Amino acid sequence: DTGVSQDPRHKITKRGQNVTFRCDPISEHNRLYWYRQTLGQGPEFLTYFQNEAQLEKSRLLSDRFSAERPKGSFSTLEIQRTEQGDSAMYLCASSLALHEQFFGPGTRLTVL
Amino acid sequence: DAKTTQPPSMDCAEGRAANLPCNHSTISGNEYVYWYRQIHSQGPQYIIHGLKNNETNEMASLIITEDRKSSTLILPHATLRDTAVYYCIAKDIYNQGGKLIFGQGTELSVKP
Repeated sequence: DTGVSQDPRHKITKRGQNVTFRCDPISEHNRLYWYRQTLGQGPEFLTYFQNEAQLEKSRLLSDRFSAERPKGSFSTLEIQRTEQGDSAMYLCASSLALHEQFFGPGTRLTVL
Repeated sequence: DAKTTQPPSMDCAEGRAANLPCNHSTISGNEYVYWYRQIHSQGPQYIIHGLKNNETNEMASLIITEDRKSSTLILPHATLRDTAVYYCIAKDIYNQGGKLIFGQGTELSVKP
């Protein structure tokens, strides 16, 4: 247990539905990252926050994706109008120092 | 970030040292070498990082060649629990933000 928690751990949804995932980082960590991982691939960066400011977004983060970190603590990642290609593991990580990121267990999304 | 190249898979006998190579021939002077691993169905876990000098911590040792074009992660006494995908990442964290760019990694199988 790294101290980073994600909820839910698993989500099954139908195509076209909206889903929201939550990440609770380690409390003193000011940086929070979202990654996506498909089967057999390494994690791919989606976006990151420093405190409540979203500082970088990947081109992978289409208009259907939105992430927030309203008070610089927990973060949410919402996917609107889900597609089958959105099926993946969504990973959250947090960091305080520049070097080490602590990853949560991930949320596995299955879009039917 | 410099591209890294790793063998797709390796085997190691339990109790023996596991030596995982990584090639990063285009690494720049400001880029650190990071190693993470991902045990099946878990989030990635930070192992170690280095810039020029060899580094050792409780998990592993990192040997970086003098020209910094390659490195080796050493697990001195591999156990079955070290079976995982190991990722080598070259990153200039001071100038390129905090995101990690994962490749395919090396799938290490530790066998009894």
